[in-house]
Amino acid sequence: KAGVTQTPRYLIKTRGQQVTLSCSPISGHRSVSWYQQTPGQGLQFLFEYFSETQRNKGNFPGRFSGRQFSNSRSEMNVSTLELGDSALYLCASSLAGATNEKLFFGSGTQLSVL
Amino acid sequence: QKEVEQNSGPLSVPEGAIASLNCTYSDRGSQSFFWYRQYSGKSPELIMFIYSNGDKEDGRFTAQLNKASQYVSLLIRDSQPSDSATYLCAVNSAGGYNKLIFGAGTRLAVHP
Repeated sequence: KAGVTQTPRYLIKTRGQQVTLSCSPISGHRSVSWYQQTPGQGLQFLFEYFSETQRNKGNFPGRFSGRQFSNSRSEMNVSTLELGDSALYLCASSLAGATNEKLFFGSGTQLSVL
Repeated sequence: QKEVEQNSGPLSVPEGAIASLNCTYSDRGSQSFFWYRQYSGKSPELIMFIYSNGDKEDGRFTAQLNKASQYVSLLIRDSQPSDSATYLCAVNSAGGYNKLIFGAGTRLAVHP
């Protein structure tokens, strides 16, 4: 069974640009969550999607957005990039996003903003 | 006060010893608790989860949960150099759905 797949693996952008990251969950998983990991702040929750609906959102500005498609694949978008957006962006999937479900992470997208 | 606290380490143990990693959390309504291992440059890998008070064992790993003290721990028996990694404690937000709050992680170094 394939794991969580994230593309691209690396991205380099400049300030002010926008970026779209992609995530394909484990087959059969319908909940997709996104996390940002930085050395200073650690792993922080961005948002969670289930059945194409955002059910939960973390404390990030509106420049961070996402969506989920009918096949459970998800994308996240960051507009007007800032230097501080440089981070590892991790996607995780679970069956239905219930409280006690295990979350499985993809390899992440390393975003560098210059 | 941070929601999930861990000692950042590094925790250095000799090969074959027991490594003890600790975590405290602030939200009394939290229901599920996870330990992830993250090697440098890699993504987090789930190694243990626990929902009820007490101990849960899986191979060389034992997770311990004490909800009254809001305390979770991970014991690694017979530590190996390959266990050297950062261990992240994660607690599911009591707000529902799968929103994990992570600690900053404890760096474990197992030396031969």
